[in-house]
Amino acid sequence: LAKTTQPISMDSYEGQEVNITCSHNNIATNDYITWYQQFPSQGPRFIIQGYKTKVTNEVASLFIPADRKSSTLSLPRVSLSDTAVYYCLVGGANQGGKLIFGQGTELSVKP
Amino acid sequence: EAGVAQSPRYKIIEKRQSVAFWCNPISGHATLYWYQQILGQGPKLLIQFQNNGVVDDSQLPKDRFSAERLKGVDSTLKIQPAKLEDSAVYLCASSLGVKETQYFGPGTRLLVL
Repeated sequence: LAKTTQPISMDSYEGQEVNITCSHNNIATNDYITWYQQFPSQGPRFIIQGYKTKVTNEVASLFIPADRKSSTLSLPRVSLSDTAVYYCLVGGANQGGKLIFGQGTELSVKP
Repeated sequence: EAGVAQSPRYKIIEKRQSVAFWCNPISGHATLYWYQQILGQGPKLLIQFQNNGVVDDSQLPKDRFSAERLKGVDSTLKIQPAKLEDSAVYLCASSLGVKETQYFGPGTRLLVL
């Protein structure tokens, strides 16, 4: 399973766009990139998943360059309620759904 | 649609005691997972069920931890005897299948004194 590296923490202000980058140099050909969000005292929540280029949903965008060795989660116009830990995970169907969580990025949004 | 339910939400026990956690997955979800999350770390998979069969329990400390999903729906995770280092949040997740999105419950926070 590919290892991921992401910043331990980030600070932002309300209304700003936040980009969290994750490195996964050993990503395999059939690996997908998935991001989860976790609030205190709650379980992780699926945000977005992608394989290449760009994926967008109502919550975030995921940018994946051609070499797929990194990915960037983009949160547009963050609010205080986006303060959470964000996890980048890499894995594929051959892992049988197994998720390997790293330490995550603790995002703090200030007023 | 109801989410993953877990109980209790909090539990305090003394070391060497036993404890059990219960999970009710989302209706229709065949795959169920138990994770352990130690403070400041990401969740770590303990065991994965597909219906009532175990798919992966490679990281389950089998000398003290056990889990079952007898009828392929609800699941229980037991620790006997508990150690101080078992203090953590125990998360249950479920998905339609092994390749599908996992949905997590709120977790059970365990403190072992």
